[in-house]
Amino acid sequence: DAKTTQPTSMDCAEGRAANLPCNHSTISGNEYVYWYRQIHSQGPQYIIHGLKNNETNEMASLIITEDRKSSTLILPHATLRDTAVYYCIVRVDSGNTPLVFGKGTRLSVIA
Amino acid sequence: DAMVIQNPRYQVTQFGKPVTLSCSQTLNHNVMYWYQQKSSQAPKLLFHYYDKDFNNEADTPDNFQSRRPNTSFCFLDIRSPGLGDAAMYLCATSRVGTAAYEQYFGPGTRLTVT
Repeated sequence: DAKTTQPTSMDCAEGRAANLPCNHSTISGNEYVYWYRQIHSQGPQYIIHGLKNNETNEMASLIITEDRKSSTLILPHATLRDTAVYYCIVRVDSGNTPLVFGKGTRLSVIA
Repeated sequence: DAMVIQNPRYQVTQFGKPVTLSCSQTLNHNVMYWYQQKSSQAPKLLFHYYDKDFNNEADTPDNFQSRRPNTSFCFLDIRSPGLGDAAMYLCATSRVGTAAYEQYFGPGTRLTVT
């Protein structure tokens, strides 16, 4: 069962902010929103996660709506190396719960 | 650097010939996962170990088995590979008991079945 909905693909100009949306309207109160990305021919890489507050780290920012039914991952200054498939995943943060990947968004950063 | 290592990166096997893929980790994580990723698809969880406890996904074929002889190593055995088993196989780890439960992925082993 798909817990998240993401656009299939997006383009972004190099140097501009990339805003990747994710809908998770059935999210439970104890489920976190995780973002991973997978660059071609590499394993997925953790980006950021959050519960209800906005989060920021050296890679990205995560904005979660007040009702928690959607979120946006923001790459503030996209580079060509950010071209990848981005996965939004909701998951209970209770130990050994595996990540279950949806289809993700293929982000192409264009020079 | 601490990491998740998968060997080999590329593996070619013949139809029906058993093959083993290996994964090792220096992170001392207590959970290890195996995912299968076919071309242009998302990774699909096959099974995972929490310490020595094995957790199989309901739709993982019996053809796929796994072993975890110790904390650092985990193996994926495909008893009789078919052409449909050609895929990237990803190993991942995580640590229960810390505040952050990110999974760390290895680079994957690309399996070709001829």
